[in-house]
Order: sequence, then structure tokens, then C-alpha cells
Amino acid sequence: GESVGLHLPTLSVQEGDNSIINCAYSNSASDYFIWYKQESGKGPQFIIDIRSNMDKRQGQRVTVLLNKTVKHLSLQIAATQPGDSAVYFCAEKVNGYGNKLVFGAGTILRVKS
Amino acid sequence: EPEVTQTPSHQVTQMGQEVILRCVPISNHLYFYWYRQILGQKVEFLVSFYNNEISEKSEIFDDQFSVERPDGSNFTLKIRSTKLEDSAMYFCASSPLTGAFNQPQHFGDGTRLSIL
Repeated sequence: GESVGLHLPTLSVQEGDNSIINCAYSNSASDYFIWYKQESGKGPQFIIDIRSNMDKRQGQRVTVLLNKTVKHLSLQIAATQPGDSAVYFCAEKVNGYGNKLVFGAGTILRVKS
Repeated sequence: EPEVTQTPSHQVTQMGQEVILRCVPISNHLYFYWYRQILGQKVEFLVSFYNNEISEKSEIFDDQFSVERPDGSNFTLKIRSTKLEDSAMYFCASSPLTGAFNQPQHFGDGTRLSIL
């Protein structure tokens, strides 16, 4: 039968504004989280990671926040640029289950100039 | 900056044929992975490989799949008898360490596999 593709949520922001992309993860035993950016025709590109013993981590123009109580992860991008337009995935690694990453469905970020 | 490279970028194969997808992980990395992404769907884990053996595999990775590190630089994924549903983007990834020292996995740009 015909496979049904995911209907990804889309976030549209104006160039220069801040973006917040959210992710609800599934397993309370997850101990490591990564945000990836995927541009059309490319593989997932590492943006930033965070371990479960932290609740915030900052990189260049990006910040990841982790709320373990509600199993929520967010990626904040400051001063969003057209080059930030892509699909953003969160991925989790479950403690004690080897190294495999479980990816979320993704969010499309569109930056309007 | 070192990167994971994959070849070919696009592979078209008849159903039932064998296909080998090739990857060159980042040179000082120790852990290697294959993931796939069916069009419009999530990235899914297939297999991880460490110290010349499979360390974990998913239910997708059945007897038709195998992985090999034939030399010091290449890491391959073989599908013995391809099916239509194997059509997907296949991503190779590598990471330097594992376990308590969580390290990000770095991905290649993938091989688009089309089964006819």
C-alpha cells in the first residue's frame, strides 16, 4: 500500500528574529540528546548536544534547553538567518541501550527575508 | 573539518539484486553506524559497529543485511536481495567514543537507494 509521509510542523520566522524549535522525547531513561539540522539532499548535521545532568547548554547562536520533568527539549536560534532554513531533528540516546539514536519527526524552519 | 563520506550518492538497482553501500568514517572514530530514512519519514537506526563486530541492530536489520569493515578506512552495508521497500536514503555515521563519554554521531550525506 501507499506509505503516508510525516506531516512535519513548520515554523516560519522573519530574518533576524529568534527561533524556538520544540521536541518531546519519549524515554525517561534517555541520557543524551542531540539537535541535528538537515538541508535538502544532505545528511543530518550536528548542531549541539546536551547530557541529562544539564538543563541548558549554549553554542554559537544556539541554545538547547532540557526539561526532564516533562521530557521536553528545545532549540533556540538567535538572530535567525536564511541559511538556517532546514529541517531540525532532535535525537535521544537511551541509557543502557548501546549507542543508537532515536530521532524525532522533525520541524521545518522557514526563514523569511 | 573531517567528514564522513559516502558513495555512491545515488544507486539504482533491480529488485532481487545485491547492493553494497560504501562509507569512509572520520579517521579517528571508533564507532560506526548505518541509519536509513524512507522518503518523508523519520531517520531510523539500522546497526552499530564497534571493534570489528556488530554491537547493536534494529529489527529492520534482518538476515538480508550485513556490514563489514574490509580495511582500515571503509565501512560497508550490503543488502543481499533488495526489495522495493528498501528504497530509502541510507546514512552512515561515526563517533569517537561511546558509553559514559557520550559523543555526537557525525553523518555523511547519504546514498539514495532506488529499487526498481
